[in-house]
Amino acid sequence: NAGVMQNPRHLVRRRGQEARLRCSPMKGHSHVYWYRQLPEEGLKFMVYLQKENIIDESGMPKERFSAEFPKEGPSILRIQQVVRGDSAAYFCASSLTSGADTQYFGPGTRLTVL
Amino acid sequence: QKEVEQNSGPLSVPEGAIASLNCTYSDRGSQSFFWYRQYSGKSPELIMSIYSNGDKEDGRFTAQLNKASQYVSLLIRDSQPSDSATYLCAVPPSGGSQGNLIFGKGTKLSVKP
Repeated sequence: NAGVMQNPRHLVRRRGQEARLRCSPMKGHSHVYWYRQLPEEGLKFMVYLQKENIIDESGMPKERFSAEFPKEGPSILRIQQVVRGDSAAYFCASSLTSGADTQYFGPGTRLTVL
Repeated sequence: QKEVEQNSGPLSVPEGAIASLNCTYSDRGSQSFFWYRQYSGKSPELIMSIYSNGDKEDGRFTAQLNKASQYVSLLIRDSQPSDSATYLCAVPPSGGSQGNLIFGKGTKLSVKP
């Protein structure tokens, strides 16, 4: 399967715990994007990364959220001290080139905070 | 604030009819436009991209772009019940990284057998 992979597909956390979401881009893609979709809301951009670099984090909440895309391994979206309002679907997308290139989405991780 | 607007629907059409989905955007400098389909509980799936004014056809789908009017549409011919989904219009803003796609809230399409 050469598509974008995300895991876990479902994640349940209690308030105050940490959530780690992983994304492996399509083969050959080095640009990764994270989006969040709240229930009954549209998709909102969070962060754009390239290997070892954050290109654009204009949509990332200032506190508790961080993202990385190391030289080796998947991209990680980390949410510390989760709150109920973090419950959402988190989608990762990847593209071959930068900027306005076509983005292909993974299956998403559905985070539920109890 | 750069925006992408879509009618939320639901848009209901009979099987075999043409479904017309519309999108307007505020950023006059945007150059790329994307239509995604999202089934309930699933991830967005790319249907089409369009970059130039005019029509672009791919099977039963036709995207239409009018940059002067800041308007992009998607036509689905011979609509099938399997086309029932939410259709998302996405536009990267001009300037900046351009990787931060701005999505409309989507139009929910229902195709009745």
